[in-house]
Amino acid sequence: DGGITQSPKYLFRKEGQNVTLSCEQNLNHDAMYWYRQDPGQGLRLIYYSQIVNDFQKGDIAEGYSVSREKKESFPLTVTSAQKNPTAFYLCASSIGTGPAYEQYFGPGTRLTVT
Amino acid sequence: GQQVMQIPQYQHVQEGEDFTTYCNSSTTLSNIQWYKQRPGGHPVFLIQLVKSGEVKKQKRLTFQFGEAKKNSSLHITATQTTDVGTYFCAGPGYNFNKFYFGSGTKLNVKP
Repeated sequence: DGGITQSPKYLFRKEGQNVTLSCEQNLNHDAMYWYRQDPGQGLRLIYYSQIVNDFQKGDIAEGYSVSREKKESFPLTVTSAQKNPTAFYLCASSIGTGPAYEQYFGPGTRLTVT
Repeated sequence: GQQVMQIPQYQHVQEGEDFTTYCNSSTTLSNIQWYKQRPGGHPVFLIQLVKSGEVKKQKRLTFQFGEAKKNSSLHITATQTTDVGTYFCAGPGYNFNKFYFGSGTKLNVKP
């Protein structure tokens, strides 16, 4: 089955700890994205990557970091510097970069930091 | 950055009633996409509109792109409980590598 997997589905952490969210795709897509969704709100772009070993900041990158060492993987680290990390995190991919391409989303990770 | 504004934020309808959500931009859009997110789920691509005045249909769903390519609408005829969810539009930003999601319209259908 082709698709995007995110793990875990639910994640609980104590304040002050860094946490890494996993995102893997087997669609052979070049572009990958991380979004944050807060209750009742739309999606806000954290980081995106157009190609391996390259990534760009989105609109709310502060307190987050990413890497793209392999085409199929784009992990997101939520650092202790992120002031309000509790949210629903969605990873997506598309064949190419840009708004002309349909985005495929993973099932998401719900992060709760207390 | 470029933003697309979406209204209404919430819509509650009786099953069988129609539903419309609107997406507006202050500038011309090269294209617009629509996604649906079921409760507890993730967004799923529905359609992309590219041409001025374009109208596309998917069963009971009708998507329209304005003549000026600054607005778009999604209309559902005779809603069903399976239509429940949040509908998002997404349009390109000034940085063509990104696009921006509207805040979404949450549809609740009462049986």
